[in-house]
Amino acid sequence: GDSVTQMEGPVTLSEEAFLTINCTYTATGYPSLFWYVQYPGEGLQLLLKATKADDKGSNKGFEATYRKETTSFHLEKGSVQVSDSAVYFCALTGTAGNKLTFGGGTRVLVKP
Amino acid sequence: GAVVSQHPSRVICKSGTSVKIECRSLDFQATTMFWYRQFPKQSLMLMATSNEGSKATYEQGVEKDKFLINHASLTLSTLTVTSAHPEDSSFYICSARSSGGAYQETQYFGPGTRLLVL
Repeated sequence: GDSVTQMEGPVTLSEEAFLTINCTYTATGYPSLFWYVQYPGEGLQLLLKATKADDKGSNKGFEATYRKETTSFHLEKGSVQVSDSAVYFCALTGTAGNKLTFGGGTRVLVKP
Repeated sequence: GAVVSQHPSRVICKSGTSVKIECRSLDFQATTMFWYRQFPKQSLMLMATSNEGSKATYEQGVEKDKFLINHASLTLSTLTVTSAHPEDSSFYICSARSSGGAYQETQYFGPGTRLLVL
């Protein structure tokens, strides 16, 4: 079945540092890929998405490129802020239907 | 756009009582809604999928008589935890998905409901 693997956290960074969170997936066909962010005590917010190979999703300074050859969708941000402290989830919807398959989540802590 | 609300945001109840959680899509029609459960510091666990006007499809291991789901309209789904026990205490999150328009192919999540059963 479909699966998503993302790097375990916590990831601790200083403000203005470069952030990368690795995400790889296993799926049949051509899944859509997503990054969601969860702030403490809240639900998930869609951060960005990509629906086909080589698409780049971007939002709020975050970027991720759909790489079919490496089955990856790594999240990057060039200069993080304290307000980026959250848990980030990589996810996909496969050809099986509507269901989202989540990675385990990566907790990011940005220190001033 | 694509706002999903949940009510209540947190609830405390006594063991043996039932609790109803509402999930609403505020600015789009949600042909499919999903209910998740999240334990502390863990990922989301899908409990069930509901399509408007039909019975919910439950994931393996989720008791359908324990977690009653109703999706009576295109903007509202409810999850009722019946005869709640302390082990049902958790963070419950819903999401909604449209079959067409600008919001298709993407699930939009509610803010979650924290349930504590004493």
